[in-house]
Amino acid sequence: GNSVTQMEGPVTLSEEAFLTINCTYTATGYPSLFWYVQYPGEGLQLLLKATKADDKGSNKGFEATYRKETTSFHLEKGSVQVSDSAVYFCALSENGSQAGTALIFGKGTTLSVSS
Amino acid sequence: DAGVIQSPRHEVTEMGQEVTLRCKPISGHNSLFWYRQTMMRGLELLIYFNNNVPIDDSGMPEDRFSAKMPNASFSTLKIQPSEPRDSAVYFCASSRGTAEKQFFGPGTRLTVL
Repeated sequence: GNSVTQMEGPVTLSEEAFLTINCTYTATGYPSLFWYVQYPGEGLQLLLKATKADDKGSNKGFEATYRKETTSFHLEKGSVQVSDSAVYFCALSENGSQAGTALIFGKGTTLSVSS
Repeated sequence: DAGVIQSPRHEVTEMGQEVTLRCKPISGHNSLFWYRQTMMRGLELLIYFNNNVPIDDSGMPEDRFSAKMPNASFSTLKIQPSEPRDSAVYFCASSRGTAEKQFFGPGTRLTVL
């Protein structure tokens, strides 16, 4: 079945360091891919998305490129801030971005950024 | 606009007691999702509804769990009887139109002693 695998954390970085969080997926067909972020004590929020191969999603300095050949959607940021400390979830949507389609989430990667 | 509203935010109960978690989705959203989050298992989809109809409840762990959506603005997740292994944060999310636009509530932290 469809699945998402994320690198295990926690990831600990100093402010202004480069961030990569790896995400690979297994899916039939052509899923849409997402990154969600969960700040302490809050629910998940959509960070960025990509709906087809070679698409690049970006938001708040974060980027991820949908790589069908490597079935990956790695999250990157060139210079992290303390405020980026959160848990990051990679997810895929079965059957593409259809109404009410359930998302499949990875286990989440905790990022901790120190000043 | 108000986001997804969940209540209570925290619940502490004793094993064997009935627990009811509540969710009010964003007005106009036609899909509602219940998730459970634990350190061991991560984020799990329990059940979701489209237009108040349950579509997939394969994630519901066992018969002790039940969910209802009597109307477009309200859903409940009930655990009866509760067990310590049910301790987790339970999230409700809603969406309209496309799956990626799922908006999550703040969650209910459940502790079963």
